[in-house]
Amino acid sequence: EAGVAQSPRYKIIEKRQSVAFWCNPISGHATLYWYQQILGQGPKLLIQFQNNGVVDDSQLPKDRFSAERLKGVDSTLKIQPAKLEDSAVYLCASSPPHNTEAFFGQGTRLTVV
Amino acid sequence: AQKITQTQPGMFVQEKEAVTLDCTYDTSDPSYGLFWYKQPSSGEMIFLIYQGSYDQQNATEGRYSLNFQKARKSANLVISASQLGDSAMYFCAMREPGSQGNLIFGKGTKLSVKP
Repeated sequence: EAGVAQSPRYKIIEKRQSVAFWCNPISGHATLYWYQQILGQGPKLLIQFQNNGVVDDSQLPKDRFSAERLKGVDSTLKIQPAKLEDSAVYLCASSPPHNTEAFFGQGTRLTVV
Repeated sequence: AQKITQTQPGMFVQEKEAVTLDCTYDTSDPSYGLFWYKQPSSGEMIFLIYQGSYDQQNATEGRYSLNFQKARKSANLVISASQLGDSAMYFCAMREPGSQGNLIFGKGTKLSVKP
């Protein structure tokens, strides 16, 4: 069974530029999460989708971050414009319908300079 | 308020010995789930073990076991017979029913296995 796929693995951008991350969850997983993991900390939820609807985006900085999950499968997370403090690993995860453990991708390491 | 507390930023263990990684949690909900994840340097979060709040027995998965003490609100991870490949960050996480499945993570413990 294929795991959660994320791209790119690494990205370096200058502050005020925009960037987008892509996630393809495990087939059949209705729930998709985007987490932000700042160096030295545990992951923090940015947004959670159930199929193509948003369940929780209370911690998403909506002035600069946006996310969508078209057709309830792939998802894209965008940052525009990026700030230095956005440097982090962005993890995508998905869960099967009965909400057991979340399966994570390898993440995208973003560096904003 | 911090919901998941991991008080050990770093731990060392000799290869083939057992090690315990501490985790305490805070919730007022009687129904919750506790998870441990391993994060090697490659970055992926790997699920290790799960304990439900109503489970009567401590969870075990191969060399991993969870020492669940409900009254103390602790869920320590025990790794037996440590291997060099166990060197990684370890995160404790909790899921509450009202969180729609969201996992709340601790800050993690970096485990280093010495040969």
